[in-house]
Amino acid sequence: GNSVTQMEGPVTLSEEAFLTINCTYTATGYPSLFWYVQYPGEGLQLLLKATKADDKGSNKGFEATYRKETTSFHLEKGSVQVSDSAVYFCALIITNAGKSTFGDGTTLTVKP
Amino acid sequence: DTGVSQDPRHKITKRGQNVTFRCDPISEHNRLYWYRQTLGQGPEFLTYFQNEAQLEKSRLLSDRFSAERPKGSFSTLEIQRTEQGDSAMYLCASSEGGHGYTFGSGTRLTVV
Repeated sequence: GNSVTQMEGPVTLSEEAFLTINCTYTATGYPSLFWYVQYPGEGLQLLLKATKADDKGSNKGFEATYRKETTSFHLEKGSVQVSDSAVYFCALIITNAGKSTFGDGTTLTVKP
Repeated sequence: DTGVSQDPRHKITKRGQNVTFRCDPISEHNRLYWYRQTLGQGPEFLTYFQNEAQLEKSRLLSDRFSAERPKGSFSTLEIQRTEQGDSAMYLCASSEGGHGYTFGSGTRLTVV
């Protein structure tokens, strides 16, 4: 079956620090990969995506590169802000096969 | 279009009662998904529709759960004879094809 494994949190950083949240996956078929962000009391928002190997998704200073050889999709940001504090979910979908599989989420807290 | 809408935002019910949630997806999206999220976990897939057809149901969806999308637009999720273990956030999402989801803000169910 399909699965997504994220680094365990919580992650606490100071403002302007470098962020990495690790994500690895197993999948039957050829997945598209996603990062979602969830702020307190809200639903998930799509942050970025990559649909094929070596693609780089980017948005709001966040980046992730689809690495087929290591089955990874690590999320990075060069300089985090307090407003980036949220829960981040890695997910995959087998194109046209319907459902997504989500990781358990990584809580990020950024302190001023 | 204002995105994916879910109603109600919060529901408190007594054990044994029936509850129904509604989801209005983005109008041009043909796929609609229901997920359940408990504290500290990622969303767990429940079921999804392509237009009005229910294409897949998770084993998590016991016979007390039923979902409909009668005209291929809004969807309802009903839980009969609620149990305390049903307490969770119920998330609805929609998409066009196999691309990233747009999530609603969720319905938080508390069974007392």
